[in-house]
Amino acid sequence: DVKVTQSSRYLVKRTGEKVFLECVQDMDHENMFWYRQDPGLGLRLIYFSYDVKMKEKGDIPEGYSVSREKKERFSLILESASTNQTSMYLCASSFDDYGYTFGSGTRLTVV
Amino acid sequence: KQEVTQIPAALSVPEGENLVLNCSFTDSAIYNLQWFRQDPGKGLTSLLLIQSSQREQTSGRLNASLDKSSGRSTLYIAASQPGDSATYLCAVEAGDKIIFGKGTRLHILP
Repeated sequence: DVKVTQSSRYLVKRTGEKVFLECVQDMDHENMFWYRQDPGLGLRLIYFSYDVKMKEKGDIPEGYSVSREKKERFSLILESASTNQTSMYLCASSFDDYGYTFGSGTRLTVV
Repeated sequence: KQEVTQIPAALSVPEGENLVLNCSFTDSAIYNLQWFRQDPGKGLTSLLLIQSSQREQTSGRLNASLDKSSGRSTLYIAASQPGDSATYLCAVEAGDKIIFGKGTRLHILP
């Protein structure tokens, strides 16, 4: 089974901090994604990547950046955390038409 | 623009009943459709994937169907159990994106 591992289940950070959310997948998938999920808004795509060193903006990239130095690792960076970035963050990977596999999520609270 | 709708937003049924969750999408040009389960505070767990050339998939008590021409999918859950209580999300993959519905929150009453 494909595993997508997000390094933290819960994080509490202060406003203005630089925050790194890490995601690792173990099945050599080309495609990786970062979403945030908020009540009433559903899942929204922040950034995605189809290959190492490649990144594309999703629907809500403002205030975020990403890094993909190795195929298995896709990091989401909050350059200067703000309270409106308090959310559940979900990482996913996929390969061709074989569907998406999600990690267990990181609940980030910015105070 | 592809839109995915799940109705109802919430559903409560007594344990043991069979039930159907609905998903509709506006553009039939999809690669595949995937059903997920999400428990509170957790990530998404993939339940079933139906590729565009398929009409249904089954896993245990779950059966998902796909009718691309009408833009509809259903998830059938047989003999529901309290452990089935969760939010069920439908997602369609089209182009380079996957579009999610807002989910149906299912509560199975013991």
